[in-house]
Amino acid sequence: KAGVTQTPRYLIKTRGQQVTLSCSPISGHRSVSWYQQTPGQGLQFLFEYFSETQRNKGNFPGRFSGRQFSNSRSEMNVSTLELGDSALYLCASRVATSTDTQYFGPGTRLTVL
Amino acid sequence: DAKTTQPPSMDCAEGRAANLPCNHSTISGNEYVYWYRQIHSQGPQYIIHGLKNNETNEMASLIITEDRKSSTLILPHATLRDTAVYYCIVRVHSGNTPLVFGKGTRLSVIA
Repeated sequence: KAGVTQTPRYLIKTRGQQVTLSCSPISGHRSVSWYQQTPGQGLQFLFEYFSETQRNKGNFPGRFSGRQFSNSRSEMNVSTLELGDSALYLCASRVATSTDTQYFGPGTRLTVL
Repeated sequence: DAKTTQPPSMDCAEGRAANLPCNHSTISGNEYVYWYRQIHSQGPQYIIHGLKNNETNEMASLIITEDRKSSTLILPHATLRDTAVYYCIVRVHSGNTPLVFGKGTRLSVIA
């Protein structure tokens, strides 16, 4: 079974721009979570989507948003990019319930110049 | 905030067992212990989880103390490919709580 895939793998943007990252979960997985990883803050939870609805959200500004499609694929968007948004953005999927194990994708490395 | 304490780094000789400790003295009765690892710049990889009984799978063994205040992840025969940051996470098995990662232990396997 194919794992979680994320596109693109690398991205360079400039301050003020916006960016959209994509995540395709493991087949049959209906929940998708997003995390941000930076050297200073480590791995931090952004939000989780299940059945096209956001069901949990971390402590990030409104510039960070996401959505999930009917096929469980998810996108996250960051508007008005700041230098501090440079990070590895990770997507994780699980079947459905909170008892299921989360499996992570390889991440998207975003660099903001 | 993470509810676990781990040593920042450890070394292990190739072929030997790697024993990674984790302290979770405030763990609640309905919280499980999860272990993930992250090889440089890759996504975290699930290893194992448990509640109170020892667990073993093809990757590792998890030993949880009887009072559940600490645990040890054991990689029985460490290889160079096991060099990674290992995260110990406690998490309830119900509700929609996300994984909360601490700083983890950087394990270096040395030839």
